[in-house]
Amino acid sequence: RKEVEQDPGPFNVPEGATVAFNCTYSNSASQSFFWYRQDCRKEPKLLMSVYSSGNEDGRFTAQLNRASQYISLLIRDSKLSDSATYLCVVNKNSSASKIIFGSGTRLSIRP
Amino acid sequence: NAGVTQTPKFRVLKTGQSMTLLCAQDMNHEYMYWYRQDPGMGLRLIHYSVGEGTTAKGEVPDGYNVSRLKKQNFLLGLESAAPSQTSVYFCASSPRRGSISGEQYFGPGTRLTVT
Repeated sequence: RKEVEQDPGPFNVPEGATVAFNCTYSNSASQSFFWYRQDCRKEPKLLMSVYSSGNEDGRFTAQLNRASQYISLLIRDSKLSDSATYLCVVNKNSSASKIIFGSGTRLSIRP
Repeated sequence: NAGVTQTPKFRVLKTGQSMTLLCAQDMNHEYMYWYRQDPGMGLRLIHYSVGEGTTAKGEVPDGYNVSRLKKQNFLLGLESAAPSQTSVYFCASSPRRGSISGEQYFGPGTRLTVT
């Protein structure tokens, strides 16, 4: 089993829709969590950290469920510009070698 | 601020050739990383550095060497390139916030093909 697993997608949704995807992790001792977005042939860019109580940044909401060991990303009122691959990142402890990137979920927003 | 820059952007090597990828950051970050990204796989950590003059191995260090002689620069070397090293290489940096975290800032990447 991979340490961090994501549904590769693609998720194909109409503009204006709400879409959500999850990322599961295997190590219950994982400490910190992040979502990145990566556009085609570009570098990953930090989208948001994920806090235990859940957090929101505009149309984006991130949640952490420690009991079930997953994080989620919800995008409301999706825009064409949201089309990208979304990577989840799990930090197992304070070591750089324990930062695990998921393979990403591809999201495509259609007009 | 330029952020994190990488040179070159593209390179084609023949098997057995050597090359150095340069990463530079102007954010005064303590930590720097080299990753490779292959289709269908997540980013995999090659080597990293927690400060000037220090380096450590990541998940896939074989066939690569690194140096961090200056805080702002992190070099990745391939001594004898192999086709299995065909990949996109990303450099990243992060600030010291108590401990290393997943909050990282990436360069634009280097696309390397080894024939």
